[in-house]
Amino acid sequence: GESVGLHLPTLSVQEGDNSIINCAYSNSASDYFIWYKQESGKGPQFIIDIRSNMDKRQGQRVTVLLNKTVKHLSLQIAATQPGDSAVYFCAENGSNFGNEKLTFGTGTRLTIIP
Amino acid sequence: SQTIHQWPATLVQPVGSPLSLECTVEGTSNPNLYWYRQAAGRGLQLLFYSVGIGQISSEVPQNLSASRPQDRQFILSSKKLLLSDSGFYLCAWSTGTGMYEQYFGPGTRLTVT
Repeated sequence: GESVGLHLPTLSVQEGDNSIINCAYSNSASDYFIWYKQESGKGPQFIIDIRSNMDKRQGQRVTVLLNKTVKHLSLQIAATQPGDSAVYFCAENGSNFGNEKLTFGTGTRLTIIP
Repeated sequence: SQTIHQWPATLVQPVGSPLSLECTVEGTSNPNLYWYRQAAGRGLQLLFYSVGIGQISSEVPQNLSASRPQDRQFILSSKKLLLSDSGFYLCAWSTGTGMYEQYFGPGTRLTVT
């Protein structure tokens, strides 16, 4: 079946530096992608999303890049802060048209080093 | 604004006991509703989703069941818990209008002993 995989399960970044979290997806039919942040013991929170008609989308300190040719998605966090420490999940809609289901990756744990 | 509630926040239950977890959404109508389970240090596994009252789709064979008795209420149940049912259970909703973005509740930590 479809899967969304992450290249790195853990990532440590010095506070103030930029971080990049990568995600590979396998379903070429996916046209919607989303990043979530999950802090320990809490539910995932929306960070940013992107549709397949875009290559890049920016939010506050975050940028999502989509490369449909190689089925790759990345989340860039600028000037990382201690509060950015969390697990980050990417998700895609796969072939789930009409029911809004998402397929989640396994997650990357980001640790910000003070 | 929309909010999603889950309770209880934590639960410790013996093997073989029944389970009922509840999720309610406020501030929206006709949402799609989802139940996920998350094992420690792992990703999200979709268990059930619902596009309307009484309409439940199961994603994986398991010891659990779901019901949607009201538009904004989603219940996860089991008649007899197994040790493997332990995990972090998350409820989520989406608008049902093709927007895909899902909004998650705070979760329930279930430990089966």
